[in-house]
Amino acid sequence: GAVVSQHPSWVICKSGTSVKIECRSLDFQATTMFWYRQFPKKSLMLMATSNEGSKATYEQGVEKDKFLINHASLTLSTLTVTSAHPEDSSFYICSTIPITGGQETQYFGPGTRLLVL
Amino acid sequence: GEDVEQSLFLSVREGDSSVINCTYTDSSSTYLYWYKQEPGAGLQLLTYIFSNMDMKQDQRLTVLLNKKDKHLSLRIADTQTGDSAIYFCAESISGGYNKLIFGAGTRLAVHP
Repeated sequence: GAVVSQHPSWVICKSGTSVKIECRSLDFQATTMFWYRQFPKKSLMLMATSNEGSKATYEQGVEKDKFLINHASLTLSTLTVTSAHPEDSSFYICSTIPITGGQETQYFGPGTRLLVL
Repeated sequence: GEDVEQSLFLSVREGDSSVINCTYTDSSSTYLYWYKQEPGAGLQLLTYIFSNMDMKQDQRLTVLLNKKDKHLSLRIADTQTGDSAIYFCAESISGGYNKLIFGAGTRLAVHP
């Protein structure tokens, strides 16, 4: 099946620093990638939809200046948490839709666990 | 707004069947999904059903959809300890980009 990777798998950083998380589709191209956030024992909340070559679409309540998304190529999207604070600690998961896939095909990465001290 | 609800916990004995239930609100959903998440991992797509179907079977998995009641269920036959995980129900909502709304997840515990 389609493989999506995320890097890093976990990161610990100091408050005030910025953290970049990468999401890559390894064996397919994707025009659309999604970024989700998952709190402990909670559901996934969609943060933004990222389209290659254009600005990301953010969900209501998600600060676009706080969570910078760049979708520079058909296989890579990045999420940068700027000036991270302890409340940004969470599990961040990306998902992608292959160019050749139908609406039903959405593949998830393994997630990145962020801990801000 | 859109909402997906699931019971939070289910415990079954190994070899029995598990049934995980989900209700959703958006009647225009085109697809409904079941994902599995093991501890510390991402989501694995288990199965999905198109909204004009009422049942789909895939090996040990059976999905039932009652569109009138907006109720979705996942039945796992012959449940094994490896099935212990969190199961998320999700609906795709209209408006493009295959936006998914997830339930809170049902934690399935399988005991001997």
